[in-house]
Amino acid sequence: DIQMTQSPSSLSASVGDRVTITCRASQGIGNDLGWYQQKPGKAPKRLIYGASSLDSGVPSRFSGSGSGTDFTLTISSLQPEDFATYYCLQHNTYPFTFGGGSKVEIK
Amino acid sequence: EVQLLESGGGLVQPGGSLRLSCAVSGLKFRRNVMTWVRQAPGKGLEWVSSISDSGVRTYYADSVKGRFTISRDNLNDTLFLQMNRLRVEDTAFYYCVKVREDYWGQGTLVIVSS
Repeated sequence: DIQMTQSPSSLSASVGDRVTITCRASQGIGNDLGWYQQKPGKAPKRLIYGASSLDSGVPSRFSGSGSGTDFTLTISSLQPEDFATYYCLQHNTYPFTFGGGSKVEIK
Repeated sequence: EVQLLESGGGLVQPGGSLRLSCAVSGLKFRRNVMTWVRQAPGKGLEWVSSISDSGVRTYYADSVKGRFTISRDNLNDTLFLQMNRLRVEDTAFYYCVKVREDYWGQGTLVIVSS
């Protein structure tokens, strides 16, 4: 099974900060990776598909990069509505696997 | 408008069974791979199971393999998850998901407790 190691598990940041979250796959997954945002009590919402493509309606401050085993989600300028938990998901090989999550909190 | 509506959650004793349903509308259900994802309270997301468009191919997380069965009714646009031999650690919100287009249901809560 492919393991997805996500870091950091939590971080504190201020509005306007640049935030970077990473996911590392235990084996190559091409670009079969999505990034999701989840707010309390809500279903997750995908931000990035194909490792680097922005989903429709997602602000351009979100970006994704990487391929193979190393992937990054970047928020260029953190906004108040971005405080949430973020997950990566590999859908290259069954069983699909999520990263452990990164909680972005207000500093 | 695409809608995924889960039902069937509830309280069940360890060792018991439960069947979840997901009624899908607004997309060509029979042409789509469908997936169940769960989230224990306060915990992260866990992929549970997926089923091919025809229903011939099914896939499971190791944590549920041999206990859960995913199936679908393409005539009635409904996805199912039969959960047997339930454990306390199966307690979670269960989401019906169309991963490719990022469609999620609202989730149904399963509580396994004595």
